[in-house]
Amino acid sequence: KQEVTQIPAALSVPEGENLVLNCSFTDSAIYNLQWFRQDPGKGLTSLLLIQSSQREQTSGRLNASLDKSSGRSTLYIAASQPGDSATYLCAVLSGTYKYIFGTGTRLKVLA
Amino acid sequence: SAVISQKPSRDICQRGTSLTIQCQVDSQVTMMFWYRQQPGQSLTLIATANQGSEATYESGFVIDKFPISRPNLTFSTLTVSNMSPEDSSIYLCSVEETNNSWEETQYFGPGTRLLVL
Repeated sequence: KQEVTQIPAALSVPEGENLVLNCSFTDSAIYNLQWFRQDPGKGLTSLLLIQSSQREQTSGRLNASLDKSSGRSTLYIAASQPGDSATYLCAVLSGTYKYIFGTGTRLKVLA
Repeated sequence: SAVISQKPSRDICQRGTSLTIQCQVDSQVTMMFWYRQQPGQSLTLIATANQGSEATYESGFVIDKFPISRPNLTFSTLTVSNMSPEDSSIYLCSVEETNNSWEETQYFGPGTRLLVL
């Protein structure tokens, strides 16, 4: 059974710092992995999608990497801003063809 | 990318009543999904709704409690029946799109925030 874990659960950093969010999954047989952002009380916004054949994806200040063999993905946020404050969720699409979500990392960027 | 809307955006309901949540997509999609996010938790899949067939429910979720309709390729409803305070959650509708390279992406609606008193 696929399980997805995110570390840390919460993170508080000063504005301008580069930071890394981690996502690990137990079954490496995945179709893809997505990183989402969720603002308090809101729905999800897709940030980056990495197919199983890819190693990384970039969008602006965000870079996501995927190491399928070790069951890990990282989301790198460069030059963090207060507007980046949100919960970040990773989700994997695996054998059952359903997305399994991680527990999320609550990020707060201090001005 | 698909644009998804949900109604209502939020509601406060009394115990024992039912609420129907609507999900509208701006394009035709085969698969629609309903998720629940309880306070402080991650998302849990309730069911998968395909047009023209009965919804497929995940373990721990039953049709009597969460009946789903999928009358066409752009619309679905989820009803939360006989509500109790434990049903207080954000309910999210989601669709999956496949691009020309056969890459799937999942898009989410804004969610319906439900509080049951």
